Amino acid sequence: DAKTTQPNSMESNEEEPVHLPCNHSTISGTDYIHWYRQLPSQGPEYVIHGLTSNVNNRMASLAIAEDRKSSTLILHRATLRDAAVYYCILASGNTPLVFGKGTRLSVIA
Amino acid sequence: GAGVSQSPSNKVTEKGKDVELRCDPISGHTALYWYRQSLGQGLEFLIYFQGNSAPDKSGLPSDRFSAERTGGSVSTLTIQRTQQEDSAVYLCASSLGPGLPYEQYFGPGTRLTVT
Repeated sequence: DAKTTQPNSMESNEEEPVHLPCNHSTISGTDYIHWYRQLPSQGPEYVIHGLTSNVNNRMASLAIAEDRKSSTLILHRATLRDAAVYYCILASGNTPLVFGKGTRLSVIA
Repeated sequence: GAGVSQSPSNKVTEKGKDVELRCDPISGHTALYWYRQSLGQGLEFLIYFQGNSAPDKSGLPSDRFSAERTGGSVSTLTIQRTQQEDSAVYLCASSLGPGLPYEQYFGPGTRLTVT
């Protein structure tokens, strides 16, 4: 299975940008980079995904390295509601997602 | 619109009993996934359906676990002779598919407690 490496935890101040890193040095050509997050006591929710180019949506931005061996999820202005575990996942097609331990993001008011 | 729904939301059962967990995916979603999450742990993949067939059952932890999907819609996860280690939150997700990496929409989960 393609694997990702993320820091266990990160902390951010409210209303500041947050950059969540992910390493995936063994990514294959067909793997998409997906980000999901899980708020406390809820199921995971989709954040963003990309293949090669940087992606933006209403929730976040995804910056993908040119060699695709790493990526960064960017939350432009962290809010208290963004406190969650963020998962970086590689998957091709609609195969099942393999969740690692993710990064626990704490947001300080 | 309606999201993925699961029932029951909570289930407490005695060790050795059988349980059935239900998942109603989003209408029109052909792919359906079951995961479970033990307390304080990450999500563990169990089984994946494309339509009514299950091309990937690799995550089922033992032969006590089975799942079916009928009419390309509702799915039921059955656990026979439950054990205490089966206690977890069981999550269902659905997505459009196959082909492109469509996002998976997760339900609220069923919290199973085996006493």
